[in-house]
Amino acid sequence: DSGVTQTPKHLITATGQRVTLRCSPRSGDLSVYWYQQSLDQGLQFLIHYYNGEERAKGNILERFSAQQFPDLHSELNLSSLELGDSALYFCASSALAGAYSYNEQFFGPGTRLTVL
Amino acid sequence: EDQVTQSPEALRLQEGESSSLNCSYTVSGLRGLFWYRQDPGKGPEFLFTLYSAGEEKEKERLKATLTKKESFLHITAPKPEDSATYLCAVQTGPDNTDKLIFGTGTRLQVFP
Repeated sequence: DSGVTQTPKHLITATGQRVTLRCSPRSGDLSVYWYQQSLDQGLQFLIHYYNGEERAKGNILERFSAQQFPDLHSELNLSSLELGDSALYFCASSALAGAYSYNEQFFGPGTRLTVL
Repeated sequence: EDQVTQSPEALRLQEGESSSLNCSYTVSGLRGLFWYRQDPGKGPEFLFTLYSAGEEKEKERLKATLTKKESFLHITAPKPEDSATYLCAVQTGPDNTDKLIFGTGTRLQVFP
């Protein structure tokens, strides 16, 4: 158990809908990362928040957005869902951020999203 | 463009048969190289971080090494419970982005 929690575990929805995925980082970690894992693409970085502020964006679609709240939990919002958005979505956390910190990322169990 | 390549894609071993997994990388500036283990349907489990060429780390039957162009994950006398996908990832500079760039993994199966 990494200490990172994610809810829900599974999500089944229809095209065009909107869903919210939730992540609670390990106790004391300030950084939260979101990754998408699909069969054909592997693990792809989406976005990084550090202490409530967006720090970096990866290949995140405009239909997707995220935020980190004052209690450091994070939510990933996916809207206008398409079939191709079906994937595993992982949240990871690390203690700090930046070039001079040890930055091991610890992953949660993931949310499996199925868009029908 | 930063790139991570893992080989082989899949590996079948007999219990006790030692082997190595390869992770080669082409990056603008390596800040750290990470190894993870992932079981089907689960999140990646952190194994090792390597920061500089020549560094080695060990954990039970696993040993990770790093050169300037690649990393190896050596598995000594594997057991069936070592069966999993092993993922390699890099963190790069100089833009201070903390994202991990992952390889596609090596799927290891160990048979009794």
